[in-house]
Formats: sequence, structure tokens, C-alpha cells
Amino acid sequence: GQQLNQSPQSMFIQEGEDVSMNCTSSSIFNTWLWYKQDPGEGPVLLIALYKAGELTSNGRLTAQFGITRKDSFLNISASIPSDVGIYFCAGHNRSGNQFYFGTGTSLTVIP
Amino acid sequence: GAVVSQHPSRVICKSGTSVKIECRSLDFQATTMFWYRQFPKKSLMLMATSNEGSKATYEQGVEKDKFLINHASLTLSTLTVTSAHPEDSSFYICSARDLAVSYEQYFGPGTRLTVT
Repeated sequence: GQQLNQSPQSMFIQEGEDVSMNCTSSSIFNTWLWYKQDPGEGPVLLIALYKAGELTSNGRLTAQFGITRKDSFLNISASIPSDVGIYFCAGHNRSGNQFYFGTGTSLTVIP
Repeated sequence: GAVVSQHPSRVICKSGTSVKIECRSLDFQATTMFWYRQFPKKSLMLMATSNEGSKATYEQGVEKDKFLINHASLTLSTLTVTSAHPEDSSFYICSARDLAVSYEQYFGPGTRLTVT
């Protein structure tokens, strides 16, 4: 199935720094979701976006639905050690049933 | 809200045996459930989509006779790995969605299957 391109693949940052990652697709989506996965656990939904141009925040996390509807961005401000994990984007088109997942961004926060 | 449980969290079985994994939506009705497989440090690979009361739709390359999916009720879906082999060892994750509410899907905590 289709897989979304996520970048960067991995990040190593100092605690307190801001983080940016993005997700791109060759197809248009109506919904973008961002998840965080800790080792050995299932992904946890962070933010859901439903409209092109939408900017939504959840605490220190901010995500944007790209205007072209082919991309989305996730920013984490003032990173802390518990932000460590793998972040996945997922796109959904209402004409279909399934979600397409990104390749993941592995985040390491150095105290 | 939107809690999905999976059982068991870990299972070790011998080659040739079958293993059943349960996925339950605890506080909502899941009109659709998805089963994923995840290899170490890789993204989620969709195996099949199941709607309550109907047959599951399998992704290309996924053997439906090997990975039996039953979505018997609005809160329960099961994945049975039949005649398991070591190459079936993986992390299996389910997710559930209530289309009447939103397009968001919520994941279970995953099941680590090891076939010896």
C-alpha cells in the first residue's frame, strides 16, 4: 500500500530544543493524524487535523495540515526526555477506509 | 475515552500451533477495526480491515487462510495466526474506529508474538 514520506528519519536533540518534522504524500488527504509510539507499545494519537491550512496545538505540540493537502507538519517546543519515541503521521481520504502511515521519525532527546 | 485493549500482550508459541489475539474497544463501538504488523524500527504494515458483521478485507500479500480475522461484535475483533512459523514472529497491533463519531483511529497496546 501507499506509504507517506516522513522526514527526518531520526533526530538527536538536546533537551529544551524545538523539533520539527514533516510528512509528504503524492496523494491528497482529507485527514491527517499524528501519533507517538513508545517502544513495545501501540501508537498514541497526538493530534488530528481535518481542514487544509488548519493549525492545531496540544500542549507543546503543534501540527499543521498543509494547504496543498499533500503534507503535514509537527512541531514540538521545548523538548523534554519523555518526548523520546517514534512519531508517525497518517493520512486518510474519506473515499476509502484505510489510513496510510508515514515511515516514522525517531526522536532522541539528550538530557 | 477511546481506549482499545489487546490480549495477550506477549505470547510465545511453538511452531505449528495457532495463536489467537483479541482486540477490544472498551468505551466505544468500533465499526471498523484494523490489524497491523510491525517489524523492528519499521512503520506499521496494514494486514487487513474488518467491518463488524462482514468479512475482512486483506491487503495484497497477506494470506487470509493464515491470518484469520473475525469481527464478531462492535467491540471485539480477533486475529488468529494459524500454524505459526518463526517468520510470523512480530509485533501485531490492532486499531479501532467509530465512523459515526470521527475518522480518528485508536490503537491497542500491541501483542508481541514469538514463534519458536
